[in-house]
Amino acid sequence: SYVLTQPPSVSVAPGQTARMTCGGSKLGSKSLHWYQQKPGQAPVLVVYDDNARPSGIPERFSGSKSGNTATLTISRAEAGDEADYYCQVWDASSDQVFGGGTKLTVL
Amino acid sequence: HVQLVQSGAEVKKPGASVKLSCKASGYTFTRHYIHWVRQAPGQGLEWMGIILPSGGITSYAQKFMGRVAMTMDTSTSTVYMEVNSLKSEDTAVYFCARAGAARPSSYFDYWGQGTLVTVAS
Repeated sequence: SYVLTQPPSVSVAPGQTARMTCGGSKLGSKSLHWYQQKPGQAPVLVVYDDNARPSGIPERFSGSKSGNTATLTISRAEAGDEADYYCQVWDASSDQVFGGGTKLTVL
Repeated sequence: HVQLVQSGAEVKKPGASVKLSCKASGYTFTRHYIHWVRQAPGQGLEWMGIILPSGGITSYAQKFMGRVAMTMDTSTSTVYMEVNSLKSEDTAVYFCARAGAARPSSYFDYWGQGTLVTVAS
């Protein structure tokens, strides 16, 4: 089955840039999406199709991909960005797949 | 505006069944796939399956085949998911989510608020 690998945690100081990764086999050929989930809430789409941003998502959120690794970058991190972040792709053999999630701490 | 409103929390005994609902509004119901995703306490997101409201076509994650059934009622723009033979490991928050694009590689652009299902004797 297809696996997406995310680091369990990332820390960033307020105002700095947070980067979190998502790795998977042949990721370059897949459309990758990112979600933010705050405690007790449903996930929110923050980046889709590798680097597109839904309306209402701040420009501080951006996505990129290189080879088998995708990166979600949050510029000028704020306390309100503290959340779990999940990447997701579709794979022909495994269908919809989520990464294990990364907990972002802004300290 | 697009909304997915889910039914309320459930408490079930092991071996029982539960039927959850997800009522859509603010868009043409039959034009978007609906997915179900669950999240066990303190765990990540797990995809369960998908239904296309226009024809009732479904596809389930292998793990849930034979134990999950997704249906819909176009007259009320509501999607349902029934989970049978519940076990304690099925304790989780269950989300419905709309596919934003008409392709397998779509993202989930709108989510319901989630329904907590607790399975305990």
